[in-house]
Amino acid sequence: GAGVSQSPRYKVAKRGQDVALRCDPISGHVSLFWYQQALGQGPEFLTYFQNEAQLDKSGLPSDRFFAERPEGSVSTLKIQRTQQEDSAVYLCASSLAVGNQPQHFGDGTRLSIL
Amino acid sequence: GNSVTQMEGPVTLSEEAFLTINCTYTATGYPSLFWYVQYPGEGLQLLLKATKADDKGSNKGFEATYRKETTSFHLEKGSVQVSDSAVYFCALRRGQGAQKLVFGQGTRLTINP
Repeated sequence: GAGVSQSPRYKVAKRGQDVALRCDPISGHVSLFWYQQALGQGPEFLTYFQNEAQLDKSGLPSDRFFAERPEGSVSTLKIQRTQQEDSAVYLCASSLAVGNQPQHFGDGTRLSIL
Repeated sequence: GNSVTQMEGPVTLSEEAFLTINCTYTATGYPSLFWYVQYPGEGLQLLLKATKADDKGSNKGFEATYRKETTSFHLEKGSVQVSDSAVYFCALRRGQGAQKLVFGQGTRLTINP
């Protein structure tokens, strides 16, 4: 499809397990963003890539969170030793380039930590 | 810091009613302002935007005007439909190379037939 694709749509993990969430941006989009959306709240910024370079990771809540985009296209958000407070919807967005281009969002991955 | 405050929901209206969802912001510089909509089971979709003071964004009958003097970007629609039921998010993005969106907490809107 032409939109941002995220997988899996739903992920259930036990506390302490590691998880990996995938984002396929729109083809040709240089910028890629990850956001975390807690239940009933607005999305909060986690990290930003321009091509393969991670230019801003100021929103990552702890060193258990790690994101990569090695070839400047697909990105993976990894959470190690998951905790219950990591339960949220993780949203990926992409945009064409710097400036006033709009961000296009995927449907998100709903992560539940038991 | 940068922040966005939206009117608390949920908001319930009858079909064809007039809608206003308030949004105010705090930001350094001259941010761009956005309204995103999230329909049930779907991702965020850009509804409209405004990039400078006094700009009016519009789409699908919705409008919002960038008011620098009141730091506001209220969303309005003259006659709502059942299909407008969704969660609406106001957001800002700082200008000049900054990229991340800062969102409000969202307002759930339900339109009854």
